[in-house]
Amino acid sequence: AQKVTQAQTEISVVEKEDVTLDCVYETRDTTYYLFWYKQPPSGELVFLIRRNSFDEQNEISGRYSWNFQKSTSSFNFTITASQVVDSAVYFCALSGTGANSKLTFGKGITLSVRP
Amino acid sequence: DTEVTQTPKHLVMGMTNKKSLKCEQHMGHRAMYWYKQKAKKPPELMFVYSYEKLSINESVPSRFSPECPNSSLLNLHLHALQPEDSALYLCASSPWASPNTGELFFGEGSRLTVL
Repeated sequence: AQKVTQAQTEISVVEKEDVTLDCVYETRDTTYYLFWYKQPPSGELVFLIRRNSFDEQNEISGRYSWNFQKSTSSFNFTITASQVVDSAVYFCALSGTGANSKLTFGKGITLSVRP
Repeated sequence: DTEVTQTPKHLVMGMTNKKSLKCEQHMGHRAMYWYKQKAKKPPELMFVYSYEKLSINESVPSRFSPECPNSSLLNLHLHALQPEDSALYLCASSPWASPNTGELFFGEGSRLTVL
C-alpha cells in the first residue's frame, strides 16, 4: 500500500519569510510519481509539479523549489520570500503503477502568510 | 481561470431530491474524474472515465451515478443522498488515461449540502 505523510498540519509565517513544507512517502513500487498541488480558498486544486522516481534532480521554479531525496523518501517543497497569495492548502501526492496508479494524497498543510 | 468548468458551484438538496452535477472540459483530455472532498481532508477518488468508459469505481454507493455523454462532459447524478454526503465535489481531467502520467486539471468544485 502507498502512503503519504505530511506531518505539518498548519503553518503560519509572515510575508517574505521562507517556508518549507515536508512530505514523506511510502511505496513498494520502483517506478512512481510524486506531485504537489495547491488548493486556494476558491477550491480548485492547482498542479505545481510532478517528479518521477528516476529523477532526483532538485527543481526551482521562481520562488518555488523542490527537494526530492529517495534515501529519506522525502519530497519537500520550499517557498522563498512567501507572499499572501501563497496562502492555501498544499497537498503532496503519490502515484505508483498498476493497482497503485491512482493518486494517494497526504492530509494537506494549511499555509497562512500574514502581511 | 480553470479550464475545467463545474456547475452548479453550490447546491442544497433534500434527501429525496434528484439533482445532477456537471463538468465540462475542452482541452481534449481523455480521462475525467470525480473526487469528493470533506472539509479539512484530502480529495477522495470516486470515479474515473477513460475514453468515455467507466474505468474505476471506488466502491461508491449507488446513490451516486456517473455519466460521460461525450469526451468533454461528465455528470454526477445524485439521488436519495444522506447528510454525510455533504462535501465539495471536484471534477478533474487529464490528457492520459492513467493519473500517474501527467497532472490533473481540477475544476473549482460543486459544494453540496444535503439537508
